[in-house]
Amino acid sequence: GQQLNQSPQSMFIQEGEDVSMNCTSSSIFNTWLWYKQDPGEGPVLLIALYKAGELTSNGRLTAQFGITRKDSFLNISASIPSDVGIYFCAGPDNYGQNFVFGPGTRLSVLP
Amino acid sequence: KAGVTQTPRYLIKTRGQQVTLSCSPISGHRSVSWYQQTPGQGLQFLFEYFSETQRNKGNFPGRFSGRQFSNSRSEMNVSTLELGDSALYLCASSLPHKNFMNTEAFFGQGTRLTVV
Repeated sequence: GQQLNQSPQSMFIQEGEDVSMNCTSSSIFNTWLWYKQDPGEGPVLLIALYKAGELTSNGRLTAQFGITRKDSFLNISASIPSDVGIYFCAGPDNYGQNFVFGPGTRLSVLP
Repeated sequence: KAGVTQTPRYLIKTRGQQVTLSCSPISGHRSVSWYQQTPGQGLQFLFEYFSETQRNKGNFPGRFSGRQFSNSRSEMNVSTLELGDSALYLCASSLPHKNFMNTEAFFGQGTRLTVV
């Protein structure tokens, strides 16, 4: 089935720094979603992307749907301690029968 | 508006037993989907229910089953538990959507199942 890869697996940054992470697939996705999961909680949808080339912002977060439909990136500007968590990319497969999550990027913010 | 509620939050079961987990969706949400999260396999889609019917299913064995009631509440059942079934089981609810996955899905806190 379709799979998603995320990089980096984990990252440690200083508070105030900008962060960039990406998600790639060997096959086309028609929707790209970015979720954040805090410890002990379920994932929370951050940004949804529906069109190739689309660039969408949500506060300090910006995500883009790659032109090739095989990748997406998420940027976080001016990181703060509450940005700590695991960020997942996800999307429905092209058969519309399965929902695929990437392995996640674990973000740690140092004060 | 109350969020998605999953019960119980924690559960310990023995190999070979069966378990039933419950999910109450946000009021008005008729689509409920279930996911398994493990350190090794990450988040994996189990199945999705809409109007009491299983609409889509992931790649899990038949030991994993679910159902949805007329009030949209859903249960999932795992029979003949194996050690590898230890995981966080997450439920998400969303408004009806013509396509499988309404991206505006809201997750519960999950049920952490430990099989010993």
